[in-house]
Amino acid sequence: QKEVEQDPGPLSVPEGAIVSLNCTYSNSAFQYFMWYRQYSRKGPELLMYTYSSGNKEDGRFTAQVDKSSKYISLFIRDSQPSDSATYLCAFQTGANNLFFGTGTRLTVIP
Amino acid sequence: EAGVTQFPSHSVIEKGQTVTLRCDPISGHDNLYWYRRVMGKEIKFLLHFVKESKQDESGMPNNRFLAERTGGTYSTLKVQPAELEDSGVYFCASSQKRSQGLDEQFFGPGTRLTVL
Repeated sequence: QKEVEQDPGPLSVPEGAIVSLNCTYSNSAFQYFMWYRQYSRKGPELLMYTYSSGNKEDGRFTAQVDKSSKYISLFIRDSQPSDSATYLCAFQTGANNLFFGTGTRLTVIP
Repeated sequence: EAGVTQFPSHSVIEKGQTVTLRCDPISGHDNLYWYRRVMGKEIKFLLHFVKESKQDESGMPNNRFLAERTGGTYSTLKVQPAELEDSGVYFCASSQKRSQGLDEQFFGPGTRLTVL
């Protein structure tokens, strides 16, 4: 069983739609739950992170963690064409190295 | 402030040749990481330096890969001899040393390696 599972998409939505991205994980040692955004030909950049179960909101983005189900989500409200990118879930243990999902490619159509 | 830089951006070599990738971390960052993404797969950890010391090299695939970080500044990743399965995008990331809390890693744009 892979440690992280993420639907690779691609996902295509109209501008203004609500986007839901999800990952499941199996490693109970994961302490930090992160979402990275990667634009074409660029490196991943940290978008949001959480430490505990629950929701964390930052503008149009909401990160949700359910440790009991080992499930994390990222919601994007009022999606914009500039949100078109690949979104990667990532996890960190105390050892610092990151474990990534395969990424979901999102396209927001104007 | 300059971000993490990597050189070259793209390298095409033949099987059996040697390639050296370079990473310049953000100034002052003690932690330096190498990751690799093979096509269709997830980004995977290769190794972690703290200053010039290898903290964790558990992700290095085999002894054809050699990473160095001279003087705790820039790092190189050498592949010798290169094989077809080494093709992929090699990312470097750096972070400040923290005693606790999230280790926020800043990624470079990656080096795309193609082995023919």
